[in-house]
Amino acid sequence: KNEVEQSPQNLTAQEGEFITINCSYSVGISALHWLQQHPGGGIVSLFMLSSGKKKHGRLIATINIQEKHSSLHITASHPRDSAVYICAVGLYSGGYQKVTFGTGTKLQVIP
Amino acid sequence: GAGVSQSPSNKVTEKGKDVELRCDPISGHTALYWYRQSLGQGLEFLIYFQGNSAPDKSGLPSDRFSAERTGGSVSTLTIQRTQQEDSAVYLCASSFPRGWVDTGELFFGEGSRLTVL
Repeated sequence: KNEVEQSPQNLTAQEGEFITINCSYSVGISALHWLQQHPGGGIVSLFMLSSGKKKHGRLIATINIQEKHSSLHITASHPRDSAVYICAVGLYSGGYQKVTFGTGTKLQVIP
Repeated sequence: GAGVSQSPSNKVTEKGKDVELRCDPISGHTALYWYRQSLGQGLEFLIYFQGNSAPDKSGLPSDRFSAERTGGSVSTLTIQRTQQEDSAVYLCASSFPRGWVDTGELFFGEGSRLTVL
């Protein structure tokens, strides 16, 4: 079993739909990250969470430390949101953060 | 440039050849990571450099893989005697020393896609 599991693996949505991507992890963490990878490979950090909820524009990320679960929500989805969304968990140890990545959720938003 | 720069963007090589992949991090970023992304797999940690400290090489998959970082800036990942299973996208990322811990920001390059025939 992977230490970081994401669901769904693939998601197709109509423009305007509310989208939820889930991440479960099985290890102790210092922080959880959500990243976005566009076609062509560029990866951008979206959020870092250690508790509660964060919001940036139409993106909302939540984390439940007790349940070892995080969700990424996209409100009013748009075709430009089409990308792979990657959950990663980090543990601060030995002077830096060792990070384990999920395999990603491929999102396609259709106009 | 303003971002993390990687070269080459694409490399096709024959099995058994050596390859070198280059990463030029953002100026001032002392932390540098190499990751590998194989088809259908999550990012896999390879090696971490922080300033002048000894690198964490625990993710390198075999002794055919090595990396160095000269002058605390540019890094080169070298794969000797390449095998087909080495085919992947090799991603470099950089940050300030505690960037991922304090600010959640890690800056990735566009990656080098390696294909071993």
